[in-house]
Amino acid sequence: NAGVTQTPKFQVLKTGQSMTLQCAQDMNHNSMYWYRQDPGMGLRLIYYSASEGTTDKGEVPNGYNVSRLNKREFSLRLESAAPSQTSVYFCASRAGYPGELFFGEGSRLTVL
Amino acid sequence: DQQVKQNSPSLSVQEGRISILNCDYTNSMFDYFLWYKKYPAEGPTFLISISSIKDKNEDGRFTVFLNKSAKHLSLHIVPSQPGDSAVYFCAVLGAANNNDMRFGAGTRLTVKP
Repeated sequence: NAGVTQTPKFQVLKTGQSMTLQCAQDMNHNSMYWYRQDPGMGLRLIYYSASEGTTDKGEVPNGYNVSRLNKREFSLRLESAAPSQTSVYFCASRAGYPGELFFGEGSRLTVL
Repeated sequence: DQQVKQNSPSLSVQEGRISILNCDYTNSMFDYFLWYKKYPAEGPTFLISISSIKDKNEDGRFTVFLNKSAKHLSLHIVPSQPGDSAVYFCAVLGAANNNDMRFGAGTRLTVKP
């Protein structure tokens, strides 16, 4: 039982490059989320998809775009990476409110 | 604005003793509260939760207490074990925007054998 799977686990980018983080869940959850974790800041919500076909901004959406490809997959795209986007990114899913989030293992991104 | 605060970045306790982790929130509209545990190089995992209609919830060695008037929740771990050493995040959720789960900055717990 894989749960939430993220790829890649590590990535180094140069400023201005683009990349997409992929996320897939096999729990048939309706809602999916992208968070970033920075030292001393906890986890902050970037974007979420409450259900297939919908996406909404979270607390820190600037510089990111998302796509809910189908019920299983939710990708996060950085169009022009900046050093401030150096972080650990977590994808999560949830069956419904008020249930807990199930997280992937994280993707560590460094922007030089 | 930090709506969820964990004021202790770290906590060290002896094996077998009680660990108490604290969390404060600012918005009285939050009505569901959770604790997550995170090991290095892994994603956070859900530990225990409590709704605003309760003031205590227990699951084995873990108990969460909620004081709504003080906007404060705490996690008690009794007895603490070395395997409990991890970063603990509290999180809050409100019905008004039930997809926007807000997290504290985390407390690193070290349980010494």
